[in-house]
Amino acid sequence: QSALTQPASVSGSPGQSITISCTGTSSDVGNYNLVSWYQHHPGKAPKLMIHEVSKRPSGVSNRFSGSKSGNTASLTISGLQAEDEADYYCCSYAGSSTYVFGTGTKVTVL
Amino acid sequence: EVQLVETGGGLIQPGGSLRLSCEASGFTVGGTCMNWVRQAPGKGLEWVSVLYSGGSTYYADSVKGRFTISRDNSKNTLYLQMNSLRVEDTAVYFCARDGSPRGYYYYYMDVWGKGTTVTVSS
Repeated sequence: QSALTQPASVSGSPGQSITISCTGTSSDVGNYNLVSWYQHHPGKAPKLMIHEVSKRPSGVSNRFSGSKSGNTASLTISGLQAEDEADYYCCSYAGSSTYVFGTGTKVTVL
Repeated sequence: EVQLVETGGGLIQPGGSLRLSCEASGFTVGGTCMNWVRQAPGKGLEWVSVLYSGGSTYYADSVKGRFTISRDNSKNTLYLQMNSLRVEDTAVYFCARDGSPRGYYYYYMDVWGKGTTVTVSS
């Protein structure tokens, strides 16, 4: 199972919006509405930001939103803040009780 | 407080074995689906294994036949037995809880530990 493809880095100024793409195949992202997104500050526990493509867990800022079209899922961060600087990973169910993560995107707040 | 704490990492020679532990608090590991995920140095997250509440287990191709996931309900602890370790198994290993409501499987991880580091080197 190959990793989902994400841009290596995305940057934006405070207050701007950025979007991170996550491209898979018809066997994973395209076949299931089971994409989740995680924020990871190195050395800390990853944090769930979005599940089932667009659902936001309680406690996660509404500045974070998710969507999907075909084999590509996206995470949008609006009103970018300094605390949003982190690594972000998408993850999709890939069938047969397996998962596949994305390659990861480093978000930099300029 | 819902929490996961991994232990058991260390330096091990290629071909060796190691058992990781993940102690849960605030919920029961036997009543939910639990995962192991790893991150090699400078790399992204990689799913390793899942243990369903019913006992079924599944593994990534990269560890199948070498790693075994299990749990001890009396200790509320998840384990990962790693045998025939390879240099490429070097990583931080995280345990994570599936956040789906009981009886449903939506395949996302809502609680994570901070990880334990495994280094395979001669």
